[in-house]
Amino acid sequence: AQSVSQHNHHVILSEAASLELGCNYSYGGTVNLFWYVQYPGQHLQLLLKYFSGDPLVKGIKGFEAEFIKSKFSFNLRKPSVQWSDTAEYFCAVNEGFQKLVFGTGTRLLVSP
Amino acid sequence: NAGVTQTPKFRVLKTGQSMTLLCAQDMNHEYMYWYRQDPGMGLRLIHYSVGEGTTAKGEVPDGYNVSRLKKQNFLLGLESAAPSQTSVYFCASSSLAGGGRLTDEQYFGPGTRLTVT
Repeated sequence: AQSVSQHNHHVILSEAASLELGCNYSYGGTVNLFWYVQYPGQHLQLLLKYFSGDPLVKGIKGFEAEFIKSKFSFNLRKPSVQWSDTAEYFCAVNEGFQKLVFGTGTRLLVSP
Repeated sequence: NAGVTQTPKFRVLKTGQSMTLLCAQDMNHEYMYWYRQDPGMGLRLIHYSVGEGTTAKGEVPDGYNVSRLKKQNFLLGLESAAPSQTSVYFCASSSLAGGGRLTDEQYFGPGTRLTVT
């Protein structure tokens, strides 16, 4: 079965710092990859997704992620974080057809 | 276009009581899902449905039942609530993947916070 690892459980950054959140998955076949964000008290919203093609994917709010097949990774990046980026971030990968497996999440706190 | 809605938003149950959570989507999506979210454990799939009248077990199905009598609705039932079912429950829906994709993105509802005492 597919599994997803997010090694950073809590990250604290100052505004304007750069962000990189790690995501590794276990299954080495064709994968569809997602990053979701959950702002405090809200539901999950899609940040970006990768299906195929250019391994560097750009999403909303200045986020991007790079799919590195050889490393089974899909790390999320943002060059300069803002206080409003404080949220929990979830990486997800498809498990077979039409199902997703989620990582345990990374809580990001951005201090002003 | 409301997207995915969930009812109720909050609920407190006593051990042994039953309840039903309702999820509705207005995007004509084929697939619907129920997840539970617990601290440090991410989202875990409880049950899902690939279409009206069909349901399947996910990762953590024990203690829950589901029904999909109408395409737009997906019900999650707890027959005899236990404290271990204290959680935040999210419903999601997605369209049928195409164009070489294995899955499409899932759209989430606002969640139901359930406490079982």
